[in-house]
Amino acid sequence: SAVISQKPSRDICQRGTSLTIQCQVDSQVTMMFWYRQQPGQSLTLIATANQGSEATYESGFVIDKFPISRPNLTFSTLTVSNMSPEDSSIYLCSVERGSPNYGYTFGSGTRLTVV
Amino acid sequence: AQSVTQLDSQVPVFEEAPVELRCNYSSSVSVYLFWYVQYPNQGLQLLLKYLSGSTLVKGINGFEAEFNKSQTSFHLRKPSVHISDTAEYFCAVSKGGATNKLIFGTGTLLAVQP
Repeated sequence: SAVISQKPSRDICQRGTSLTIQCQVDSQVTMMFWYRQQPGQSLTLIATANQGSEATYESGFVIDKFPISRPNLTFSTLTVSNMSPEDSSIYLCSVERGSPNYGYTFGSGTRLTVV
Repeated sequence: AQSVTQLDSQVPVFEEAPVELRCNYSSSVSVYLFWYVQYPNQGLQLLLKYLSGSTLVKGINGFEAEFNKSQTSFHLRKPSVHISDTAEYFCAVSKGGATNKLIFGTGTLLAVQP
């Protein structure tokens, strides 16, 4: 399966600022996904990012708040903008290598605390 | 759209006892089903998946799950649990194809007691 490097692993940020999370994959993948896991909760899909096209956002998530870049087939970033304490969560990227046979692989996550 | 229901938010069990974690899904099309485990302060690890074929799927760490199409279920089982199995378990569904996003259930905390 693919190996994902996600950075930073954790951060403490001031409200009103922005944080960009990076996700690097060791092989080319078509689809990359960004999830949010709020404290004690399950994973909620934020958006799907395909290379060469705009990200597709799920209900309740908007591009102005969570802009995503996907410049090539191995890299993506998620920015959490104008943060508030409610944004304190773990953010995870995930990839699916074109077939469910490989399963979905997840990065180790970014634990974000907004103060 | 597909969805996943995990009815049990927490399952306490004694060590060496059998356990079943329940998962039900809803979808109007064929789906792929997954179980993931998340140990405390760690990322997600794939336990097993059902794509097609045999309805009994064996995964890592002695876990297995059975796909039941008529009951739209994909329950996870282990005949004898260990303390080290204490973790959060997530059932997830994908319908494959071009829009093959993975949708997660709310999770079940398996708490193994000595």
